[in-house]
Amino acid sequence: SYELTQPPSVSVPPGQAARITCSGDALPKKYVYWYQQKSGQTPVVVIYQDSKRPSEIPERFSGSSSGTVASLTISGARVEDEAVYYCYSSDTNGHRVFGGGTKLTVL
Amino acid sequence: QVQLVQSGSEVKTPGAAVKISCKASGYSFRNYAMNWVRQAPGQGLEWMGWINTDTGNPTYGQDFTGRFVFSLDWSGTTAYLQINDLKAADTAVYRCAREGLDSYIDYWGQGTLISVSS
Repeated sequence: SYELTQPPSVSVPPGQAARITCSGDALPKKYVYWYQQKSGQTPVVVIYQDSKRPSEIPERFSGSSSGTVASLTISGARVEDEAVYYCYSSDTNGHRVFGGGTKLTVL
Repeated sequence: QVQLVQSGSEVKTPGAAVKISCKASGYSFRNYAMNWVRQAPGQGLEWMGWINTDTGNPTYGQDFTGRFVFSLDWSGTTAYLQINDLKAADTAVYRCAREGLDSYIDYWGQGTLISVSS
């Protein structure tokens, strides 16, 4: 079955840039979406269609995609950005899939 | 405002069945697909599949065929997830999730915890 691969964890000091990657064979043809899930909460989309940011999401969140790798970058990460981040996309048959999740630690 | 309100938590024994409801409000129900997402304790998000709320046609993820059934209440705005022959490994939070016009999940239910234990 189709898989999206993310690093299990990323750690950065406050104020530094955090970059989370997501790799998948179908990404050249399919959009990637990024979700933030804080402990005990429902997920929130932070990036959609590779690089678009919902209006309520801070500008420090950005996304890009090139070839089989998509990236979520948090410029100037803050403690409140600590969460698990999931990439989300679909395979060539239209079945959706989540990446395994990346736990971001800001300390 | 868009709301997805799910039924409450349940405790079941192995082999039993459970049916979770997801009542939608605040939008035109038949214009947006409904996804189901599972999250086991301490684990990641798993896409279970989705149901076309206009035709009722379900699509199941590879790991969710056989025991899982998506359905609709045609007289209202409620989607259902039924899980048959429950196993301990089915212990998880199950969420319904609306797929928006830009083909991503834009609204989530609050989640329903299903605990399976003998």
